Parts: sequence; structure tokens; C-alpha cells
Amino acid sequence: QVQLQQWGAGLLRPSETLSLTCGVYGGSFSAYYWSWIRQPPGKGLEWIGEIHHSGSTYYIPSLKSRVTISVDTSKNQFSLKLSSVTAADTAVYYCARVTGSGTYYFDSWGQGTLVTVSS
Amino acid sequence: QSALTQPRSVSGSPGQSVTISCTGTSSDVGGYNYVSWYQQHPGKAPKLMIYDVFKRPSGVPDRFSGSKSGNTASLTISGLQAEDEADYYCCSYAGKYVLFGGGTKLTVL
Repeated sequence: QVQLQQWGAGLLRPSETLSLTCGVYGGSFSAYYWSWIRQPPGKGLEWIGEIHHSGSTYYIPSLKSRVTISVDTSKNQFSLKLSSVTAADTAVYYCARVTGSGTYYFDSWGQGTLVTVSS
Repeated sequence: QSALTQPRSVSGSPGQSVTISCTGTSSDVGGYNYVSWYQQHPGKAPKLMIYDVFKRPSGVPDRFSGSKSGNTASLTISGLQAEDEADYYCCSYAGKYVLFGGGTKLTVL
């Protein structure tokens, strides 16, 4: 049974860079895609982007200029960096495993990390 | 790209059935059979309930079912139970990106 454990700074100042990492424990790492999703307080889910085992990345157009998702296959970890954050980036950030290739769904999620952007 | 459209809330009594709709476009819901549904209890991570429009992961009760017609997908929960009270989100693959619905709060009366 795969488990996703995520960590990173929870309080940022405006203009700083958000940095989160998600460790994958159990199951195959290379057979899946890996994604980040966020949820502003009291609001719905928003897909941020994903990385495939090939290294290909896909991002939501509205964040593409500020987002980088990377992977460290030697550690079974993947990371999110979001630059120049503002209060609008305050949200719970989730990492998730994607079963893709002929299908598409998020079947395992991290516990979530609340990131607050405040001066 | 805009979020998929879901009703903000639905309600039903124990034992009844409710249906939550999810409307998109021909570029997302209507263009792919990759619609999934997630249940989220307060303070918890979402949980996969339905994938590929109608398929249920192991462990999800068969009270949960999914369907799609054109650009609208639906989640039906039959035999409502108290523990079904939660937020529900639809999700659709859309080629280069992924869209979620705005979420529907299910209240079990």
C-alpha cells in the first residue's frame, strides 16, 4: 500500500518561493505520474501540475510562469516550487499519485500542507 | 480553462438517493472518459470514489455509481448513510491539464 508523506514550510512572506516535497513509500515510483493539487481555505480543489516518469511536466496555464515540479527518482520523491507567492497562494497543498496512460485519476494523496502567505 | 460546474449543495435523508451533476465542455468531460469523483471530509485529504466515469476502486461501496451523458457527468449515491455527508468533487482530464469541479456539499438530513 503506497503512502505519500509531504513536508515543507508553512508560512511565507509575499514574494518568497514556496517549496514542498512529497516522499513516496511503497509501490512502484516509475509506473505513475506525480501531481500537486491545492485547495484555498473554504474553496475547491485546483490542479497545479504533474510530472511523468519521463521527466515531462504539465502545468495549469495560470501558474505556468511560476511553477516548477521536479522529481528525484533515487529518493522516490517529487517537489513543488512556486515563486513570487502572494496571499492568493494561501492554500492546503496536496501531493498525489496519478494513474494515467489510458485512464486518469488520483488514487493516493498526501496528508496536505497548509501554506499561509502573509506579511 | 474554467472549473467544472457542480451544484453547491444537495441533501437527502438516510436511505434515499441523491445525484450530483458535473458539467463541462466537449474539451474535457465530453471529450474524454476520464471523469473521476472524490469524497472529502472536513480536514481530510480527498478520497477517490469513482474513476473512468463509472468504475469503483476496491473498497468503495456499490452505493456509489457514476455515469456520463454528453458534457455532463453524474455521481449517484443510493441508500444514503450518515457517513456519506461530505464534500464531493468531480474531476476531468482535459488533454494538457486537469479540471476539478467547484465541489458539492452533501448533507444527510
